[in-house]
Amino acid sequence: EADIYQTPRYLVIGTGKKITLECSQTMGHDKMYWYQQDPGMELHLIHYSYGVNSTEKGDLSSESTVSRIRTEHFPLTLESARPSHTSQYLCASSETGAWTQYFGPGTRLLVL
Amino acid sequence: DQQVKQNSPSLSVQEGRISILNCDYTNSMFDYFLWYKKYPAEGPTFLISISSIKDKNEDGRFTVFLNKSAKHLSLHIVPSQPGDSAVYFCAASFYSGGGADGLTFGKGTHLIIQP
Repeated sequence: EADIYQTPRYLVIGTGKKITLECSQTMGHDKMYWYQQDPGMELHLIHYSYGVNSTEKGDLSSESTVSRIRTEHFPLTLESARPSHTSQYLCASSETGAWTQYFGPGTRLLVL
Repeated sequence: DQQVKQNSPSLSVQEGRISILNCDYTNSMFDYFLWYKKYPAEGPTFLISISSIKDKNEDGRFTVFLNKSAKHLSLHIVPSQPGDSAVYFCAASFYSGGGADGLTFGKGTHLIIQP
């Protein structure tokens, strides 16, 4: 059973605020990912990490940033939230060399 | 340009019958395919996968078929149960040296199992 956690689950915030979405996994996986999904649409990869101190941008351009200081923790930050950032953000992890990614429950973000 | 396509936004199947969900892809570099199941307000849950060197993989009620020449895969659920009602995502990836990077997803098919 995958153990990957995201907080908060839901967030409503005003334009211009700085937000950090938390993601933690207890499986010791080296690789972690952030996806963005709008309703009825596919998931798009926005960031990934091969391990500590490694971060890469994904296929979809995003104004968010990520950090990977600890293996188990991969937070995503928006310095100044805008209504266009309203979406669902899903965190995932996998073992190096493995194909299967395990997802957290997601954070639904609404920027007013 | 969408590289993974699920052309049926929804599918309704009677309980006990077979559910067949389809997925097409355009990138011939994809060499691993996965199906995920997603309930509302939850993250996707891994269901079953298949490598491009195989044409079939079975796990209990779930079977995935891969036709590389047609760039097509399908997920069969037999028999369908009410708990199978969810959105099913097809995803694909290719080997990039360090293992899979991100997955490329389709838009999903909403499967509804009717009693």
